[in-house]
Amino acid sequence: ETGVTQTPRHLVMGMTNKKSLKCEQHLGHNAMYWYKQSAKKPLELMFVYNFKEQTENNSVPSRFSPECPNSSHLFLHLHTLQPEDSALYLCASSQELNPNEKLFFGSGTQLSVL
Amino acid sequence: RKEVEQDPGPFNVPEGATVAFNCTYSNSASQSFFWYRQDCRKEPKLLMSVYSSGNEDGRFTAQLNRASQYISLLIRDSKLSDSATYLCAAISGTYKYIFGTGTRLKVLA
Repeated sequence: ETGVTQTPRHLVMGMTNKKSLKCEQHLGHNAMYWYKQSAKKPLELMFVYNFKEQTENNSVPSRFSPECPNSSHLFLHLHTLQPEDSALYLCASSQELNPNEKLFFGSGTQLSVL
Repeated sequence: RKEVEQDPGPFNVPEGATVAFNCTYSNSASQSFFWYRQDCRKEPKLLMSVYSSGNEDGRFTAQLNRASQYISLLIRDSKLSDSATYLCAAISGTYKYIFGTGTRLKVLA
């Protein structure tokens, strides 16, 4: 285990649903990230939080809404998604925002939008 | 041009073979580089960091060529358990991890 826990592991939702993805890290890290991984595409950075403050929104549509109540927890709220949003959503953490820091990933949420 | 490019493979090699992957990056300001391993339907896990002086960890060797802007991963004496997708990452700024699409390796018995 990497110390980063994501729930749920799988999620199927309709386009009108509202759901949330949860991430918790037990590593004492200060930075947390959301990534999207679609088939045959590289990991795409979505959001970055440092000490629970958002430092990056990588032009993500507003139907994705992140929330970081503290340095250990990160949520991704989903609303009126599109089928093309179906992907693996990965949470990650690092000790701090530093180019030499390694990322530790959670096991991901496989999302299917119908 | 993609920021980080990898040959998607698959590379099919017999057990015991030596296999090498390259990964090219376009941003000359990239500061750090890593190789991650991702098994099917699992999360990426750090394999090793890549340093200008090269980095060796058991059967795995990673190297960086800044002049030509590529990093490499060499796996010696391949095991069946090495079958996975290998992602390279180049980091610019403080946290801009840019990943490649990955190279798929299949080690055959």
